Amino acid sequence: DGGITQSPKYLFRKEGQNVTLSCEQNLNHDAMYWYRQDPGQGLRLIYYSQIVNDFQKGDIAEGYSVSREKKESFPLTVTSAQKNPTAFYLCASSIQGGPYEQYFGPGTRLTVT
Amino acid sequence: SQQGEEDPQALSIQEGENATMNCSYKTSINNLQWYRQNSGRGLVHLILIRSNEREKHSGRLRVTLDTSKKSSSLLITASRAADTASYFCATDAGGRGSTLGRLYFGRGTQLTVWP
Repeated sequence: DGGITQSPKYLFRKEGQNVTLSCEQNLNHDAMYWYRQDPGQGLRLIYYSQIVNDFQKGDIAEGYSVSREKKESFPLTVTSAQKNPTAFYLCASSIQGGPYEQYFGPGTRLTVT
Repeated sequence: SQQGEEDPQALSIQEGENATMNCSYKTSINNLQWYRQNSGRGLVHLILIRSNEREKHSGRLRVTLDTSKKSSSLLITASRAADTASYFCATDAGGRGSTLGRLYFGRGTQLTVWP
């Protein structure tokens, strides 16, 4: 059953703590993306990766970090430097190059208090 | 900004009616895509239209693209309550930048279909 998974669905953290959001895909896609979505807003790109061991900053990378050690996995760390981390985070993947259709995970809703 | 802008922000119709959403963008593109998002879920790809295409159909969906006006429309015919969702258009960077694969999403149109 091919797809893209994100865990957990809901995540609660105290202010000042780093937190890592998981994203895994078994679609054999080279490219992966992290987006942030705030209420009533569109998707804003945080980081993206076209290939293993390489990634680029998107439009709102400050306060976030990523790694791409495996093709299947693209974890996102929300650091304490991110001033307003409470949001809905979406991971996506696609065939490399593009622009092609992106496949999205179910999202992780992060609440920081 | 490259970001597409959908119009209207919200649309409320009765079942059986047609729903039309529009998207405008600012720079040249290679293709334009439409996605759907149910509340609290991930996005689902609906349709992709290339810059050299003017119209495309998929089931009850009809997409048009006018590159001279830098605009696209998504028509959902015979709407159902299950079509209630947010609909987003997404554009690429155009030219060489498009090979990076990144997309630019608008803020979406919230469609509500009443039974």
